[in-house]
Amino acid sequence: GAGVSQSPSNKVTEKGKDVELRCDPISGHTALYWYRQRLGQGLEFLIYFQGNSAPDKSGLPSDRFSAERTGESVSTLTIQRTQQEDSAVYLCASSYGQGAVEAFFGQGTRLTVV
Amino acid sequence: AQSVTQLDSQVPVFEEAPVELRCNYSSSVSVYLFWYVQYPNQGLQLLLKYLSGSTLVKGINGFEAEFNKSQTSFHLRKPSVHISDTAEYFCAVSDRRGTSYDKVIFGPGTSLSVIP
Repeated sequence: GAGVSQSPSNKVTEKGKDVELRCDPISGHTALYWYRQRLGQGLEFLIYFQGNSAPDKSGLPSDRFSAERTGESVSTLTIQRTQQEDSAVYLCASSYGQGAVEAFFGQGTRLTVV
Repeated sequence: AQSVTQLDSQVPVFEEAPVELRCNYSSSVSVYLFWYVQYPNQGLQLLLKYLSGSTLVKGINGFEAEFNKSQTSFHLRKPSVHISDTAEYFCAVSDRRGTSYDKVIFGPGTSLSVIP
């Protein structure tokens, strides 16, 4: 696609439920990132994919969070047993594998846990 | 890159006044440097980037930034701000490792508020 696409754009879920967030990166981008942005705060790194492997998943806050990526394409971020503190905007970005490494961001998924 | 520091969390400035948003990073290797802007209720977009060459980089909307290797800084400047520049500004850094690269690390952001 022309840009990074994230779905859903908004998600309201009950505490304790599982949610799955999807990211479609720009075609050809080998690197993919997930960030979390709480209200009024900066970007919190969650996980980085190079292809379908995750060399850095140090930012995942707990074992309730997991992510996977199919080939060099779609990625899903799964949050199990959601808690209210998981409420945030989850941003996905992708970048080309070599040379200039500008990251292109999606519009994000706003997750609200009630 | 190890970390990115943006010392000013909020910067209020009057319209048509100059502004400087500060960014410092720590890294043991060469880096790529970026400034991203996030307008209210929108996603992040690239403002400018330093990859190599001239240390003074010009970006969109009249912004520029200067890479200072000795001070490990990449401060963002604009000589005259407009109301529409009100936004959150994020400095970011990525290690340069030959043909591969490391993850992009973002600073905590600086909220620029332009006062009419």
